[in-house]
Amino acid sequence: RKEVEQDPGPFNVPEGATVAFNCTYSNSASQSFFWYRQDCRKEPKLLMSVYSSGNEDGRFTAQLNRASQYISLLIRDSKLSDSATYLCVVNRGNRDDKIIFGKGTRLHILP
Amino acid sequence: DAGITQSPRYKITETGRQVTLMCHQTWSHSYMFWYRQDLGHGLRLIYYSAAADITDKGEVPDGYVVSRSKTENFPLTLESATRSQTSVYFCASSESSGGYNEQFFGPGTRLTVL
Repeated sequence: RKEVEQDPGPFNVPEGATVAFNCTYSNSASQSFFWYRQDCRKEPKLLMSVYSSGNEDGRFTAQLNRASQYISLLIRDSKLSDSATYLCVVNRGNRDDKIIFGKGTRLHILP
Repeated sequence: DAGITQSPRYKITETGRQVTLMCHQTWSHSYMFWYRQDLGHGLRLIYYSAAADITDKGEVPDGYVVSRSKTENFPLTLESATRSQTSVYFCASSESSGGYNEQFFGPGTRLTVL
């Protein structure tokens, strides 16, 4: 099983719709979880951290399910500007300084 | 301007040549990282540094050398470039442990090895 797995997509979603991505991770010792966003030919940027209790930032909601070892990202009322690749990021746990990036899920918001 | 910068932004070189990619950050972040991004592989860690004069290997270190004599600089050298090192290289920094904190990425260097 790969350390971090994501559906590569693309997800083609009409503007205004709700879309959700999942990401699974294999290391049960992982303690930190993030979603990064990467626009075409640009650098990745942090979208949000994922906390055990779940967290929300405007139209974006992130959830963590430790028992099933996955994290999710929900985007409500999607905008054209949400078109990007979303990278799931997980640390290796055990106070490891390194993080592992998923290969990303491509999202296209259609007008 | 504050931030993290990389140079050059684009580089074309030939097989066997030595190439150095530069990374500079103005935040005095302790941690710095080098990643490469290739289609089908996502971002992979090459080397990282927890502080000046402390470096460690990542997932794909072969063929690369790093140094960190100053906190703000973290150059990456390809000692003898190969075609398989054609990639987009991102430098990143974080205030403390990279496993627990946001990493800030530079704009990337697109390297082509002919």
